[in-house]
Amino acid sequence: AQSVTQPDIHITVSEGASLELRCNYSYGATPYLFWYVQSPGQGLQLLLKYFSGDTLVQGIKGFEAEFKRSQSSFNLRKPSVHWSDAAEYFCAVGARFSGGYNKLIFGAGTRLAVHP
Amino acid sequence: GAVVSQHPSRVICKSGTSVKIECRSLDFQATTMFWYRQFPKKSLMLMATSNEGSKATYEQGVEKDKFLINHASLTLSTLTVTSAHPEDSSFYICSASGTDANTGELFFGEGSRLTVL
Repeated sequence: AQSVTQPDIHITVSEGASLELRCNYSYGATPYLFWYVQSPGQGLQLLLKYFSGDTLVQGIKGFEAEFKRSQSSFNLRKPSVHWSDAAEYFCAVGARFSGGYNKLIFGAGTRLAVHP
Repeated sequence: GAVVSQHPSRVICKSGTSVKIECRSLDFQATTMFWYRQFPKKSLMLMATSNEGSKATYEQGVEKDKFLINHASLTLSTLTVTSAHPEDSSFYICSASGTDANTGELFFGEGSRLTVL
């Protein structure tokens, strides 16, 4: 069965420090992978996505993620965190559904706190 | 990117009443929409998949008679929480497939917070 694991429930970093949020997935075929960010009480905003090709993908707000098939991972990184990056981050895998369309399966999320 | 709008963003109702939440794709046609439920500080749980003109497909454990989903047009899906109870209080988020539906990318609404007293 498809699944997504985000091992870190809560991470705290200092402003200006680098960040890496971990994501591991389980999926039988080549996955479509996504990172979303959610601010409190808000919907989800897509940060970046991987479908195929270059395994290092660039997203918005200075984020990037690297797909590593051998490790079944899609970790999110940012070289220098800003206070406004404090939010909940969700990794998701797009799974082919029997009806012919895809649905997203989300990880549990990682809550990022940023110290000034 | 594509825009998905939900209404209302917040709703408070009395126990036993029904509440309807709308999800609209504003600038694209969405043949498939998804409804998620999110408990506080938890991840998103897929409730059902809504296809225009057909019955919704519910995930295991989701009561279809409690959570009525209608997808009458290519731009509108509705979720009705019937006979709501306090345990139905939650954050409900809809999403819709973009033009490249095969890749699975979804566009999300802003969410609707339901509080049942």
